[in-house]
Amino acid sequence: GAGVSQTPSNKVTEKGKYVELRCDPISGHTALYWYRQSLGQGPEFLIYFQGTGAADDSGLPNDRFFAVRPEGSVSTLKIQRTERGDSAVYLCASSTSPNTEAFFGQGTRLTVV
Amino acid sequence: EDQVTQSPEALRLQEGESSSLNCSYTVSGLRGLFWYRQDPGKGPEFLFTLYSAGEEKEKERLKATLTKKESFLHITAPKPEDSATYLCAVQPTSGTYKYIFGTGTRLKVLA
Repeated sequence: GAGVSQTPSNKVTEKGKYVELRCDPISGHTALYWYRQSLGQGPEFLIYFQGTGAADDSGLPNDRFFAVRPEGSVSTLKIQRTERGDSAVYLCASSTSPNTEAFFGQGTRLTVV
Repeated sequence: EDQVTQSPEALRLQEGESSSLNCSYTVSGLRGLFWYRQDPGKGPEFLFTLYSAGEEKEKERLKATLTKKESFLHITAPKPEDSATYLCAVQPTSGTYKYIFGTGTRLKVLA
């Protein structure tokens, strides 16, 4: 399909390990967002890309979290030295332009044990 | 501080029993207000965008309205397949284009 694709769907990792989460946005969408959602909560903003650059990374909780979008399409969210509190569903979304509706992927469920 | 509050947290309706979900927001300025539907284990699915007070959008049994302080999602004659969590998000004019989400309303429609 032509929707936002996130891989993997599920990721189980041990505390202290490094993980990468991938997002393939809808083709042609210049804006890309990462959100984190805990059980029973709404999505919480992490970072927003316009093209290749991170226009707003104010939601990244600390310097263990980093995201890139080197060619303005695929994005990778990287988490170093994972902690159990990082366990959540990580959602990616994209939109044609920043002030139009964003379309979400199915999410990556990260579990840190 | 920009904030979104949704009520009720949970709602149980009989099939055909119409109701409304509320989204109250506090922002310095509003670029847009967005409604999403989320099924268990899935990402949010886009429903509506509203940009200015007085605006209304409709899709099947759903109708979204917007005032300067809140938005309503009206559900007319709901069916069991309308059961889901409904999320409201605002995009403030201050700062960049991030969305601020509420915690959602969990809707259960009983047959």
